[in-house]
Amino acid sequence: SQKIEQNSEALNIQEGKTATLTCNYTNYSPAYLQWYRQDPGRGPVFLLLIRENEKEKRKERLKVTFDTTLKQSLFHITASQPADSATYLCALPGYSSASKIIFGSGTRLSIRP
Amino acid sequence: DAEITQSPRHKITETGRQVTLACHQTWNHNNMFWYRQDLGHGLRLIHYSYGVQDTNKGEVSDGYSVSRSNTEDLPLTLESAASSQTSVYFCASSESYRGLNEQFFGPGTRLTVL
Repeated sequence: SQKIEQNSEALNIQEGKTATLTCNYTNYSPAYLQWYRQDPGRGPVFLLLIRENEKEKRKERLKVTFDTTLKQSLFHITASQPADSATYLCALPGYSSASKIIFGSGTRLSIRP
Repeated sequence: DAEITQSPRHKITETGRQVTLACHQTWNHNNMFWYRQDLGHGLRLIHYSYGVQDTNKGEVSDGYSVSRSNTEDLPLTLESAASSQTSVYFCASSESYRGLNEQFFGPGTRLTVL
C-alpha cells in the first residue's frame, strides 16, 4: 500500500531562516502532491498543489519541489516568521481513487524570534 | 462566504451510546469526507461520498456509518461508541471527482468516549 513519510520530529529554526520540510512516499507514482497547514485546534488549510510534470512551484514565500525519481517533495518557507509556526501536512491522491487524499502525519514547525 | 461547519465542537459520551456528528458545507461540493486525527497516525479516512446517495468506506470505517441525502450534509454516526473512538474528527469537501482541487476542512469535533 502507499506510504507517506514526514519527519515526525519537530523542526525548530530561527526567524528569518529558510525552513525545509520533507515528504517521502513509496509504492506509488502520484499525479500530484498537495501541502496543507494545520494550526492547533483547527482543520488543515490547503497551501499548494504541484503536479508530476512540475519540478517546482512557488507562492509568495513558499516553494515546493517534486522529484518523482526520488519520490520526494520538499517544502520551503523562506524568510520564516513566528506566524509560520504550525504543522505542515503533505498529501497524495489515493492509489485506488484519485478523489481520495492520503495524508502524511505532518511535521511541526516552530519559528523562534 | 461559503464554509464548512461541524457540530458539536466538543462531545463527551459513554461507551455503547450512539453518537452523530454533523457536517454541513455551503460550497456545493460533490465530494465530502470524514477523517479522524490521532497522535502518531495523522489524518485517517473513515468514510467518503462523491454525491447524493453515494457513500464509500475508508481505511478505518469499522464502527462508523454515513448517509448522504443532500449535497450539503454528511452526518457521521458512531453506532455504539467505544473508547478507541476518542479522537478529533474532521469533515472535508472538494469539488472535483479527479481530486485535483484542494480539500476544505471544517473546524473539527473533539469526541471523548468514557
